[in-house]
Amino acid sequence: DVKVTQSSRYLVKRTGEKVFLECVQDMDHENMFWYRQDPGLGLRLIYFSYDVKMKEKGDIPEGYSVSREKKERFSLILESASTNQTSMYLCATDGGQGHEKLFFGSGTQLSVL
Amino acid sequence: SQKIEQNSEALNIQEGKTATLTCNYTNYSPAYLQWYRQDPGRGPVFLLLIRENEKEKRKERLKVTFDTTLKQSLFHITASQPADSATYLCALEEGAGTASKLTFGTGTRLQVTL
Repeated sequence: DVKVTQSSRYLVKRTGEKVFLECVQDMDHENMFWYRQDPGLGLRLIYFSYDVKMKEKGDIPEGYSVSREKKERFSLILESASTNQTSMYLCATDGGQGHEKLFFGSGTQLSVL
Repeated sequence: SQKIEQNSEALNIQEGKTATLTCNYTNYSPAYLQWYRQDPGRGPVFLLLIRENEKEKRKERLKVTFDTTLKQSLFHITASQPADSATYLCALEEGAGTASKLTFGTGTRLQVTL
């Protein structure tokens, strides 16, 4: 089974802090994604990566950046956290063939105070 | 504007009955549609994928239909069980490419009671 591991289940940070959310997958998948999930808004795509060091903006990239230095690891960075970035963050992967199912991690609930 | 609508109100049904969840979309031309299950505090888990040229797909007690004319997908769980209680998300994929860039609905919570 594919395993997608997010480093923290819960995280509390202060406004203005730099925040790193880490995601690791064990299936040698090409594509990795970061979503955020908010009540009433559903899952929204922040960024995705289709190869090492390659990234593409999703629907809501403002205030975020990403890093993919190794194939198995995809990091989401909040350069200066703000209260409106309080959310559930979900990492996902797919196998890179197109039109496939996504495998999700368990999520990180981030609270920015 | 583009919109994916799932019933935001919870669906309550009795054990053994068939649950039917609806996903309607506007201003999309999806080539693929997927359904996921999400339990509280967990990430979504894939259930079924259906292509635009498929009318229906089944997997065990699950059935999905896809009507591109009505711009609607229906998700059915037959002989529902309390363990089926969860939030169910539909997701659309429009384009080509090798990354599954999905747009998700907000989900419908299903509660199956004894």
